[in-house]
Amino acid sequence: EVQLVQSGAEVKKPGESLKISCKASGYSFSTDWIGWVRQMPGKGLEWMGIIYPGDSETRYSPSFEGQVTISADKSISTAYLQWSSLKASDTAIYYCARLLLWFGEKPARYFDPWGQGTLVTVSS
Amino acid sequence: QSVLTQPPSVSAAPGQKVTISCSGSSSNIGSNYVSWYQQLPGTAPKLLIYENNKRPSGIPDRFSVSKSDTSATLAITGLQTGDEADYYCGTWDSSLSAGVFGGGTKLTVL
Repeated sequence: EVQLVQSGAEVKKPGESLKISCKASGYSFSTDWIGWVRQMPGKGLEWMGIIYPGDSETRYSPSFEGQVTISADKSISTAYLQWSSLKASDTAIYYCARLLLWFGEKPARYFDPWGQGTLVTVSS
Repeated sequence: QSVLTQPPSVSAAPGQKVTISCSGSSSNIGSNYVSWYQQLPGTAPKLLIYENNKRPSGIPDRFSVSKSDTSATLAITGLQTGDEADYYCGTWDSSLSAGVFGGGTKLTVL
């Protein structure tokens, strides 16, 4: 069974750093992209970025470029999302998800499965 | 402001049909397949429809999609109270070189 298990909830102060994790199992971690999605309180899903663990190639949404860092350690099948200096506006649930690709009549890229989510609360 | 536009809410009675639209442009829906996700209250999103109208194992055929050039529509027939959830469309945007989601649609089964 393909599964993504995320690290637990975090409470941090503005200006602090943070790294949350997403451990994959049940598939070849190195050969599938894996991504991060933000959901702010009461709001919709926002596509943040993806990483290919095989060579650590990353793609970021313009909205998140420079704001977060996505990384992966293929030796332990784990992806990470990190901040160097948190802001109150980073308060959200963060989901990791495997990105699957298909190239038919048109390309398809979709997330499946999703992790359970990590709640990050940033408050002074 | 999301790149993909969805209605904020839709509603219908049990047993009825409802449709949820997702409008984009030539750089996203016009050149990539759309996927749909269901997010039940308090849970993580779940893949509902992918590629060319495919459903993951366990998703009933009450869920289907149709598409035109730059828009896609999710249809749910035989509505059940358990279908009450937020629904999101998503795809790749070739101009952004990144994925995008719609703003989400809250389905209420009256």
